[in-house]
Amino acid sequence: KNEVEQSPQNLTAQEGEFITINCSYSVGISALHWLQQHPGGGIVSLFMLSSGKKKHGRLIATINIQEKHSSLHITASHPRDSAVYICAGGGRGADGLTFGKGTHLIIQP
Amino acid sequence: ETGVTQTPRHLVMGMTNKKSLKCEQHLGHNAMYWYKQSAKKPLELMFVYSLEERVENNSVPSRFSPECPNSSHLFLHLHTLQPEDSALYLCASSQQGFYGYTFGSGTRLTVV
Repeated sequence: KNEVEQSPQNLTAQEGEFITINCSYSVGISALHWLQQHPGGGIVSLFMLSSGKKKHGRLIATINIQEKHSSLHITASHPRDSAVYICAGGGRGADGLTFGKGTHLIIQP
Repeated sequence: ETGVTQTPRHLVMGMTNKKSLKCEQHLGHNAMYWYKQSAKKPLELMFVYSLEERVENNSVPSRFSPECPNSSHLFLHLHTLQPEDSALYLCASSQQGFYGYTFGSGTRLTVV
């Protein structure tokens, strides 16, 4: 069983919809990461959270440490948001990350 | 460009070949990582180098051999690979003691 679980695995929505992707983890982590991977393969770091909530443009990430749960929200979704969104847990220092399987998001015009 | 550069972007190699993947960062980070992404599986940590010393190898087969000559460069030497080793290999770097990671664009490896 993977220590980081994401849902849903696949999500198709219409442009403008509010998107929520969920992540639950069973490992002890110091920080929770949300990453974006486009079809070419490269990964971009969106957020790194250890508590509370962060916002960047139309993206919002929240984390509940007690419940070991995090969510990524996209407001006013756009076709260019189509990508794989990956949740990952990490520790302090050079521990590497434990990844979820990713959520494949498609936003249709 | 993220600040972490991987070459080549694509590589096709036979099972008897020897090749190397290269990763370079000039972000001043002191930890570098190799990750493997196979189809329909989560990213897997292969190797971690912190301050140029290997700290974890996660039981990776010996046909994968990492090298970190300095804090800016990381190599993954490949020899006698199997078709199931075909995957996207991603390099990342971070500053130990902080949490942010920067990823390269990856090398898409196909073993034939």
